Amino acid sequence: GAGVSQTPSNKVTEKGKYVELRCDPISGHTALYWYRQSLGQGPEFLIYFQGTGAADDSGLPNDRFFAVRPEGSVSTLKIQRTERGDSAVYLCASSLRRGGLTDTQYFGPGTRLTVL
Amino acid sequence: GNSVTQMEGPVTLSEEAFLTINCTYTATGYPSLFWYVQYPGEGLQLLLKATKADDKGSNKGFEATYRKETTSFHLEKGSVQVSDSAVYFCALSDQGGTASKLTFGTGTRLQVTL
Repeated sequence: GAGVSQTPSNKVTEKGKYVELRCDPISGHTALYWYRQSLGQGPEFLIYFQGTGAADDSGLPNDRFFAVRPEGSVSTLKIQRTERGDSAVYLCASSLRRGGLTDTQYFGPGTRLTVL
Repeated sequence: GNSVTQMEGPVTLSEEAFLTINCTYTATGYPSLFWYVQYPGEGLQLLLKATKADDKGSNKGFEATYRKETTSFHLEKGSVQVSDSAVYFCALSDQGGTASKLTFGTGTRLQVTL
């Protein structure tokens, strides 16, 4: 079946602009995660959705970052007033999240964001 | 907080050599442990996992054993192939929390040559 998809694959923007990154999880997966991977580093957790609600947003670096998942499927990560330090690969993952059982996260290919 | 430390790369091996990539962790509670792999130009893929102490995860000839006493989850393979060239990430998930968010190490690049 189809895996996690992310669009766009690449996004180049100018400092101060607004961007939206989209994630389409695996069908039926209730949990959705966003991570950020800087060059030469491992992915860092940003936010986790269980259904439509953000269950844990402790990884969002500041209030310029916001994410939504209005119908419990597709999610959008929104970044306002982008800064050069926001340049990274933004990864989305989804899982079944069957509560109490070890959960495997399946990752999308990522969106490479470059802020000039 | 939780953290994962893995050996720095790059690791360069000849084909058929033995591989070890070290990984140690710090966590509260009883985390699950994972190895993810990122092949050139591809996304992160789960390689193997272990959910409790002394469990051994295995896949594609790779193995790792969850050692609670040494807080380690070292990745091993007896005979590497050129096709194993990739970046390997060790990660943990705190199953005791409300979310299974993953904490990753910085990654170890493996280059296998003929």
